[in-house]
Amino acid sequence: ETGVTQSPTHLIKTRGQQVTLRCSSQSGHNTVSWYQQALGQGPQFIFQYYREEENGRGNFPPRFSGLQFPNYSSELNVNALELDDSALYLCASSSGQDSLRDEQYFGPGTRLTVT
Amino acid sequence: AQKITQTQPGMFVQEKEAVTLDCTYDTSDPSYGLFWYKQPSSGEMIFLIYQGSYDQQNATEGRYSLNFQKARKSANLVISASQLGDSAMYFCAMRGSGYSTLTFGKGTMLLVSP
Repeated sequence: ETGVTQSPTHLIKTRGQQVTLRCSSQSGHNTVSWYQQALGQGPQFIFQYYREEENGRGNFPPRFSGLQFPNYSSELNVNALELDDSALYLCASSSGQDSLRDEQYFGPGTRLTVT
Repeated sequence: AQKITQTQPGMFVQEKEAVTLDCTYDTSDPSYGLFWYKQPSSGEMIFLIYQGSYDQQNATEGRYSLNFQKARKSANLVISASQLGDSAMYFCAMRGSGYSTLTFGKGTMLLVSP
C-alpha cells in the first residue's frame, strides 16, 4: 500500500506567477484535502474533493483552485502568486467514510517560496 | 465555527519522563472528533490518536493517551516515557459533525533532551 505522495518537494516562484502542485492519494482513497501551513502556524484548510467534485472550501480566494482526477490524484493551482502564499502545502487523502473518525493521511508537503 | 487553542508554544522534557501537551477546543456541534498529529521537521503530519466526543473512555495508543475532559472542552495529549525521537511539533485538531475536514491549532514544539 503506497502512501500519499506530493510533487515537487520545493518550489520557488516569483510574485504574479502561477503554480501547480500535485498529490497522489493513498490507494483506495477517494477524498483529498489540501491545506496551507504558514511558518509557525497550524495547517489551514483550502478545499476538499470527493470523487472529482469539490465538496468543501475554506476561506481562500478563487485564485486557489483544484482538480481531482479519475484515479483520485489531485492538483492545487494558485494564480497570481503573492508573497503571503509562501508556505508548506499539504495534501491529505482519506477513504471518504461519513464518519468523524475518517482518518486523513498526509503527504510530505510541497514548500512554496514566493519572491 | 470550530476553534482549537494550544497555549504552549514550546515544551521541554527529559528522556524517559512523561509530558502533557494542552489542547482546548470550542464547537457548537453535539458530536465531534478530536485528533493529535505529530509533525517532524520533514513536514509530514503523522496521526497519533483519536477521541470521539461520545467515547466513554479516554483513548490510548501505545505511549500516547488522551486526557479528555468534555465539560472543560479539553483534550490534552500525554506522552509517557519520552524518547529523543518524540522531538517534533504536535498539533491538536478537530472535526465537527457538520464538517468533513479538520481544524488545527497552532501547535506545540516538544524538545526531548537526553
